[in-house]
Amino acid sequence: SAVISQKPSRDICQRGTSLTIQCQVDSQVTMMFWYRQQPGQSLTLIATANQGSEATYESGFVIDKFPISRPNLTFSTLTVSNMSPEDSSIYLCSALGGGRARETQYFGPGTRLLVL
Amino acid sequence: QKEVEQNSGPLSVPEGAIASLNCTYSDRVSQSFFWYRQYSGKSPELIMSIYSNGDKEDGRFTAQLNKASQYVSLLIRDSQPSDSATYLCAVLKGGNLIFGKGTKLSVKP
Repeated sequence: SAVISQKPSRDICQRGTSLTIQCQVDSQVTMMFWYRQQPGQSLTLIATANQGSEATYESGFVIDKFPISRPNLTFSTLTVSNMSPEDSSIYLCSALGGGRARETQYFGPGTRLLVL
Repeated sequence: QKEVEQNSGPLSVPEGAIASLNCTYSDRVSQSFFWYRQYSGKSPELIMSIYSNGDKEDGRFTAQLNKASQYVSLLIRDSQPSDSATYLCAVLKGGNLIFGKGTKLSVKP
């Protein structure tokens, strides 16, 4: 299985500021994803982070609000821009495992964001 | 119809009983199915994956898949209080996972 770390693990931010979340995988993976999970809700896919090209965003999510980078096969960042209280959520990085587990998707520990 | 549907629960079972969690999906061509467990305040943890019709057993967990009826289920035998969590059903579509809203399971001692 892939081991995924995220930082920060949590943050409290002021309205109008931006936060960049980092995700590191312990092995090279083909696909990385960013999800959001609001309190009491299931996971919502924000975007697929593509290595060397622009991320693929799901309906309702745009690059200006959630810019994503993926400079290599083990690292990605998600920025939550111009934050508002509605952005308070858990943000989860995920990666598709390789080898025999190629279709298995693993999750990082998440970043808890509170916007005041 | 939602792509992946689950009963939100809560499902309450006594310790030692069998917990049965169900999930239906709308895309008939889906081939890969997963069950994740999520404890409160934690990230989802993969429990089972299933790709073929029938049953797949792993310890106290059994995943069941019926592609004709488009449902996948998870049975937990000898339920323990430590099994109390939200269980998320997920279907692989277009290279990424589509999640259901999850079923909250409570196992009472």
